[in-house]
Amino acid sequence: DVKVTQSSRYLVKRTGEKVFLECVQDMDHENMFWYRQDPGLGLRLIYFSYDVKMKEKGDIPEGYSVSREKKERFSLILESASTNQTSMYLCASSYPGYNQPQHFGDGTRLSIL
Amino acid sequence: QQQVKQSPQSLIVQKGGISIINCAYENTAFDYFPWYQQFPGKGPALLIAIRPDVSEKKEGRFTISFNKSAKQFSLHIMDSQPGDSATYFCAASGNTGFQKLVFGTGTRLLVSP
Repeated sequence: DVKVTQSSRYLVKRTGEKVFLECVQDMDHENMFWYRQDPGLGLRLIYFSYDVKMKEKGDIPEGYSVSREKKERFSLILESASTNQTSMYLCASSYPGYNQPQHFGDGTRLSIL
Repeated sequence: QQQVKQSPQSLIVQKGGISIINCAYENTAFDYFPWYQQFPGKGPALLIAIRPDVSEKKEGRFTISFNKSAKQFSLHIMDSQPGDSATYFCAASGNTGFQKLVFGTGTRLLVSP
């Protein structure tokens, strides 16, 4: 079974802090994704990566950056956390190909105080 | 044009009944339409998917109906069970090389015993 592991289930940080969310997958997937999930808004794509050191902006990249130094690991960085970044963050991975299923982690619920 | 509109926002169905969730899209370049199922505390998981070259796809109690001319697709859950209680997301992507899914806003389904 594919396993996508997000380092924290719950995280509480303060406004202005630099926040790192980590994601590791064990299936040698080329593609990795970061989404945020908010009630009534569904899942919105923040960034995705199709190879090591490659990244593409999603629909809501403002205030975020990413890092992919190894194939299995994809990090989401909040450069200066703000209260409007309080959300559930989901990481996913997949093989290349637009019809390949995305496999999701169980999410990190991030609260910015 | 990138949106996928999903309805209803929530749904209560009696055990044994039929659950129907509808989605509509505008972008005619979309040609892959998956449904994801999310249980509380878990990440979404692919449930069933369809390409527009067929009008219906059935997997067990789950059926996707697709109307290309109306740019609509729907998920039908036959003989709904309490274990089907979850949030369901429709999504769409185009054959652009990168698997960039656009998700609907989600439907919270509750199947009462």
